[in-house]
Amino acid sequence: QIHLVQSGGEVKKPGASVRVSCKASGYSFTSYSINWVRQAPGQGLEWVGWLSPYNGNTKYAQNFAGRVTMTTDTSTDTVYMEVRSLRSDDTAVYFCAREASMSRGVIGVVDTFDFWGQGTLVTVSS
Amino acid sequence: DFVMTQSPDSLAVSLGERATINCKSSQSVFYSSNNKNYLAWYQQKPGQPPKLVIYWASTRVSGVPDRFSGSGSGTDFTLTISSLRAEDVAVYYCQQYYRTPPTFGQGTKVEIK
Repeated sequence: QIHLVQSGGEVKKPGASVRVSCKASGYSFTSYSINWVRQAPGQGLEWVGWLSPYNGNTKYAQNFAGRVTMTTDTSTDTVYMEVRSLRSDDTAVYFCAREASMSRGVIGVVDTFDFWGQGTLVTVSS
Repeated sequence: DFVMTQSPDSLAVSLGERATINCKSSQSVFYSSNNKNYLAWYQQKPGQPPKLVIYWASTRVSGVPDRFSGSGSGTDFTLTISSLRAEDVAVYYCQQYYRTPPTFGQGTKVEIK
């Protein structure tokens, strides 16, 4: 069975950084790209960025460029997302989501998301 | 970026009745070389992550009940629940995956009347 298990909720002060992990199991980790999507309280879905565990390529949403870094550890089948310089409007549930099609890590290729993590609530408050 | 606009924002439907959700893209998501529309629908229940229900605008994910159907092409799409059941209460999102960044509609909340 395919699972994406995320790290627990975090409370951070404005200006701090947060790192969220997403551990995959049940499939060939390097064959499928991972995306991060966030959802502010009571709001819709916003794409944050994409990472290919195959080659480490990344692509970030313009809103987050310079503040977010996504990395992967293929020895533990885990993807990480770090967000820096947190603001109150970064308060959201952050989801990792696997792309539905196998990938060789070509930047700019988009897909649907067939498996999702349970979500990690990041609260930014002074 | 592609802007996805759903309508209505919410709707209340009686059990057993039809629910229809519309999604309009600011640009066509139809790729003529493979004759496919790069449009997906997700269902999100409270406290849960979204669940993929439809891709290529009209292909149901395995295990999704056949009361869910998708239609449309180019810029205008529809998700139909033919006979609403209590377990279908959720927020539904459309998503384009024609071009990066993938973008979602604002969501449509489906409730029981």
